[in-house]
Amino acid sequence: GAVVSQHPSWVICKSGTSVKIECRSLDFQATTMFWYRQFPKQSLMLMATSNEGSKATYEQGVEKDKFLINHASLTLSTLTVTSAHPEDSSFYICSARLVLVNTEAFFGQGTRLTVV
Amino acid sequence: QKEVEQDPGPLSVPEGAIVSLNCTYSNSAFQYFMWYRQYSRKGPELLMYTYSSGNKEDGRFTAQVDKSSKYISLFIRDSQPSDSATYLCAMSRTSGNTPLVFGKGTRLSVIA
Repeated sequence: GAVVSQHPSWVICKSGTSVKIECRSLDFQATTMFWYRQFPKQSLMLMATSNEGSKATYEQGVEKDKFLINHASLTLSTLTVTSAHPEDSSFYICSARLVLVNTEAFFGQGTRLTVV
Repeated sequence: QKEVEQDPGPLSVPEGAIVSLNCTYSNSAFQYFMWYRQYSRKGPELLMYTYSSGNKEDGRFTAQVDKSSKYISLFIRDSQPSDSATYLCAMSRTSGNTPLVFGKGTRLSVIA
């Protein structure tokens, strides 16, 4: 299957700092990527849809000024958590769907963010 | 009513058992159905993909979709301890650039 690479896999940062998470599609072009957040023992919560060359579409309740998404190329989307607080600590996952006959989504490995 | 309902479990079975995992949904427009496996602190891994109704088999895994009942299933034969994970059903209305709608996930433990 297609490969989506996410980096870093884990990060610890101080409260008030910003953290950038990268999501790359390694063997296909992804005009659209999706960012999810997952709390322990919970399902994936869609945060935003990242569109190459245009603004991201945020889900209701997600602060777009706090979670900055940039999709500058067909293979890279980034999520920046700005002015992070302990309540932002979570597991963040990106995914991309193939725009082909089969339309399954492939996920990155996830990033565990801990804000101290 | 949530769009996709999935029993979170946990479900515990002995090694070698047949496991049945299920999801129901309310949106009749869903056409694409997927099952993902997620190990702790890892991203979901695609297991099965099905378009519209029918069955699909891949090794020990069989996916079934019954659109008339809005019900999908994943069967795991000869379950192994390595199958212990959370299984997420997912579906979407259209192909391409729309996000999937996920179930809550079912936690499965296969006991040796």
